[in-house]
Amino acid sequence: QVQLQESGPGLVKPSGTLSLTCAVSGDSIASSKWWSWVRQPPGKGLEWIGEISHSGSTSYNPSLQSRVTISVDKSKNQFSLNLSSVTAADTAVYYCARADWSGYDYWGQGTLVTVSS
Amino acid sequence: EVVLTQSPATLSLSPGDGATLSCRASQSVSSYLAWYQQKPGQAPRLLIYDASIRAAGVPVRFTGSGSGTDFTLTIFSLEPEDFATYYCQQRSHWPPEDTFGQGTTLEIK
Repeated sequence: QVQLQESGPGLVKPSGTLSLTCAVSGDSIASSKWWSWVRQPPGKGLEWIGEISHSGSTSYNPSLQSRVTISVDKSKNQFSLNLSSVTAADTAVYYCARADWSGYDYWGQGTLVTVSS
Repeated sequence: EVVLTQSPATLSLSPGDGATLSCRASQSVSSYLAWYQQKPGQAPRLLIYDASIRAAGVPVRFTGSGSGTDFTLTIFSLEPEDFATYYCQQRSHWPPEDTFGQGTTLEIK
């Protein structure tokens, strides 16, 4: 059974950096999947942030690209999200998920990150 | 960038009714389209992938169809647990990029 679990601060100050980690169990981070981040502002829809492949190549949402970094730690079987220069507009539930060409088949439960001073 | 437009935004129906949800792409996405169900406070759940293939454990009353730019999710005989928000999603080959539709909320009439 594949499981993903997000962790990180629930509160980030404006202009700071949002940092989250997703721990993966039941699958190897080196498998032929994409490891992705998706967010959902309160009461709104889903927004793709970006992904990292098993080979380490990354793709990002063009609207966030200048502020986003996704990395992987194979030794811990986890991947991470850094989003810099955050504002209140970055307040959202952040999900990590496993993806391939058939879609996102496993998701974390999500973690709410609030940007506020 | 491919834009996915879902309609209607809200659909009010009763248990036992049939539901038809639409997802239109701004350019052809072949059959690389998925549908998700999301309930309040929960992560999305994959229902349909490759436009028409039900994910594991998804009831047969959920059917996906379409290709190119027009896709439909049909739910036959709604059950109380089907009232939720539904999203479509596609993946572009190049540049590698995912997009989601804005969602359709299925509410009890």
